[in-house]
Amino acid sequence: DAGVTQSPTHLIKTRGQQVTLRCSPKSGHDTVSWYQQALGQGPQFIFQYYEEEERQRGNFPDRFSGHQFPNYSSELNVNALLLGDSALYLCASSFGAPGKAGHWLAFFGQGTRLTVV
Amino acid sequence: SQQGEEDPQALSIQEGENATMNCSYKTSINNLQWYRQNSGRGLVHLILIRSNEREKHSGRLRVTLDTSKKSSSLLITASRAADTASYFCATADSWGKLQFGAGTQVVVTP
Repeated sequence: DAGVTQSPTHLIKTRGQQVTLRCSPKSGHDTVSWYQQALGQGPQFIFQYYEEEERQRGNFPDRFSGHQFPNYSSELNVNALLLGDSALYLCASSFGAPGKAGHWLAFFGQGTRLTVV
Repeated sequence: SQQGEEDPQALSIQEGENATMNCSYKTSINNLQWYRQNSGRGLVHLILIRSNEREKHSGRLRVTLDTSKKSSSLLITASRAADTASYFCATADSWGKLQFGAGTQVVVTP
């Protein structure tokens, strides 16, 4: 049973460029959340997708957008990259509608290390 | 902003010793979870404790929760070199949104 998979593992981009990160949830999971983890910090919630809709959003600018596909996989897009966007981006999946008990347990992928130069 | 604050920020112990780290949070919670992260890789879920629980065990892990003090502790007994990692507490709201602290870096030396 594959866990949460993220691609690519590492990425280097130039300021101003756009980037797309991908996530496949754990088998049987239907909710995907994205987190940004700066060096030496804890992960920060970006947004959460369920039934192909953004359900919750953290304190991130509109440059950060996402999408969830019918197969529950998800993409995180970041436009107009800034140096400060350099971080580890983590995808987490869970099962069940947000608000339901089973939804609390999230499984994380290995992350995508984004470096903006 | 971070919801939880872990204490200490760093901990260095020898194999066989116990490691204790604490977490304080600010708002009401549905549950609190502890995660481990090795060398900036993905987070591994360790244990979840619900707001109506006071203590929970899983193998060498013991977690306590005091909702009146808005604090939790994680105890790792008989630590091993493989326990070297960063440990994060995270509070979850009813929608599953996790808010993490800055973490405790634990180094276990043989």
